[in-house]
Amino acid sequence: DTGVSQDPRHKITKRGQNVTFRCDPISEHNRLYWYRQTLGQGPEFLTYFQNEAQLEKSRLLSDRFSAERPKGSFSTLEIQRTEQGDSAMYLCASSQGQGALGQYFGPGTRLTVT
Amino acid sequence: SQELEQSPQSLIVQEGKNLTINCTSSKTLYGLYWYKQKYGEGLIFLMMLQKGGEEKSHEKITAKLDEKKQQSSLHITASQPSHAGIYLCGADASSGGSNYKLTFGKGTLLTVNP
Repeated sequence: DTGVSQDPRHKITKRGQNVTFRCDPISEHNRLYWYRQTLGQGPEFLTYFQNEAQLEKSRLLSDRFSAERPKGSFSTLEIQRTEQGDSAMYLCASSQGQGALGQYFGPGTRLTVT
Repeated sequence: SQELEQSPQSLIVQEGKNLTINCTSSKTLYGLYWYKQKYGEGLIFLMMLQKGGEEKSHEKITAKLDEKKQQSSLHITASQPSHAGIYLCGADASSGGSNYKLTFGKGTLLTVNP
């Protein structure tokens, strides 16, 4: 396994459309995280899963956003009725357990809403 | 909420020079992470520091954690063009240090001139 993968890498959509991103974590990692990063800022936490359970959601995650991790493997992040303010890099990370081990990030999906 | 301030915001050095990047937290640090990011790409995990006084090295990069000062420093010795990128510090913002929510600084943009 070479690391966390994300698909697509780039997405351009028109305002009001729905988009869905996919993240495949490192296979033995039971935790999966979503972050959002805008230009000139560090990543901001959106949500995380332990196995298939979504355990926390940031206030940044409005009701237009939904994330799933069926069967505790890959995860999807859907944005409904996209707005220009949703334009950002969406990063997925995974880790094994808690504490001592770092979160390993994927290459990100860059979303542009026109 | 925890905030991380990185300094400097940007840094230009000549190849072969040493440099230091600092990261200061507004709250107690349960864990401090250093990542590197190439523009438009995901984050590459460098190292994690957990205990006060801890120091870790990876190739020519050394990081230290000063728990009392709530500060970490990243030092690069004999910089090379391959060190260029954005360096981000992240801290475990989850309660009890359970490593599920990282908060990040805004990053330090490093340019290494050959």
